[in-house]
Amino acid sequence: GENVEQHPSTLSVQEGDSAVIKCTYSDSASNYFPWYKQELGKRPQLIIDIRSNVGEKKDQRIAVTLNKTAKHFSLHITETQPEDSAVYFCAATPRSASKIIFGSGTRLSIRP
Amino acid sequence: GAGVSQSPSNKVTEKGKDVELRCDPISGHTALYWYRQSLGQGLEFLIYFQGNSAPDKSGLPSDRFSAERTGGSVSTLTIQRTQQEDSAVYLCASSPSGETQYFGPGTRLLVL
Repeated sequence: GENVEQHPSTLSVQEGDSAVIKCTYSDSASNYFPWYKQELGKRPQLIIDIRSNVGEKKDQRIAVTLNKTAKHFSLHITETQPEDSAVYFCAATPRSASKIIFGSGTRLSIRP
Repeated sequence: GAGVSQSPSNKVTEKGKDVELRCDPISGHTALYWYRQSLGQGLEFLIYFQGNSAPDKSGLPSDRFSAERTGGSVSTLTIQRTQQEDSAVYLCASSPSGETQYFGPGTRLLVL
């Protein structure tokens, strides 16, 4: 079955700098890759997603890139702000099933 | 429109008691998921429903855990003979297509 690995587990960056979180997946049939943000004490919320027929997607300060050959995808946050501090989860959905497999999460801290 | 709701929001119980956690998905969403999240940890998949059937129960930790979904809508997660290690936040999510998941606020369970 699908397995998703996420790195790093914690990340601290200076406000205004960029942050990058990386995930790898094992099932080459996976075709949908969402990213969720979970602020302290709140529920996870979708922030961006990408499908296997696209290599990159941007939404303001966040972007996701997908390398199908290498089976990895990354979240990029530019010009980080204090409100970006949260836990970020990547995920992958195998084509043959509807169960999403989540990574273990990255705790991002933005230093003022 | 209304999002995913869960009840109760908090539950304190004594070891050995049974508890029922309820999830009301977004109307029309056919897929429903239960996750467990211990403090500071990731999302542990428990069970997935497509309509009223549960094609994947692989995440249920033991036979003390069960879940049902009736009418393709409301779902109940039951934990029998609760143990202290069952203490966690139980999150429910629904999805129209099995891709983007919309999470509820969670039920915080504390077993004394």
